[in-house]
Amino acid sequence: GAVVSQHPSWVICKSGTSVKIECRSLDFQATTMFWYRQFPKKSLMLMATSNEGSKATYEQGVEKDKFLINHASLTLSTLTVTSAHPEDSSFYICSASLDQLYEQYFGPGTRLTVT
Amino acid sequence: AQSVAQPEDQVNVAEGNPLTVKCTYSVSGNPYLFWYVQYPNRGLQFLLKYITGDNLVKGSYGFEAEFNKSQTSFHLKKPSALVSDSALYFCAVRDSTSGNTPLVFGKGTRLSVIA
Repeated sequence: GAVVSQHPSWVICKSGTSVKIECRSLDFQATTMFWYRQFPKKSLMLMATSNEGSKATYEQGVEKDKFLINHASLTLSTLTVTSAHPEDSSFYICSASLDQLYEQYFGPGTRLTVT
Repeated sequence: AQSVAQPEDQVNVAEGNPLTVKCTYSVSGNPYLFWYVQYPNRGLQFLLKYITGDNLVKGSYGFEAEFNKSQTSFHLKKPSALVSDSALYFCAVRDSTSGNTPLVFGKGTRLSVIA
């Protein structure tokens, strides 16, 4: 089956610094990738839809200048949390979809802790 | 608008007993329905999906789900629960007419299987 990886799996950073999270589709080309955020014991909150070669589409309430998304190739999307604050601490999950008939394939997630 | 409801936050079942995790949905067109499982600090793993065809869908790890159009439901079932089935389960839906858009997730149901 299709495999999606994320790197790093966990990261601790100091308040005010920026952190980049990579999402890669390892054995397929994904024109569309999705970024989610999950709080403890909560469901997934869609942050943005990332399309290769174009600007990401952000969900309402998500600051696009704070959560920078780049989808430079068909196998790689990155999420950069800029000027991180403790409230940005969360579990970030990406997913990729071949098309609407297929399930979304999820990465293993990245746990971000901002101190 | 698409939506998914998982009415139970928590389901407890004894090992060896049948389990059911409930899901109802709302879409304007025909639904594509999915179940995912999440273990602690991990991404989501695909269990099964309904796109078209037989209303009873069989998936991974012995799980199955039945699509009921009249009741707009897609309940997840397993004849005999295992302790290792304890996890967080998400139901998701996509409208067949919505293109390659992200799945809409329910809030999740935590399943605890007690030995």
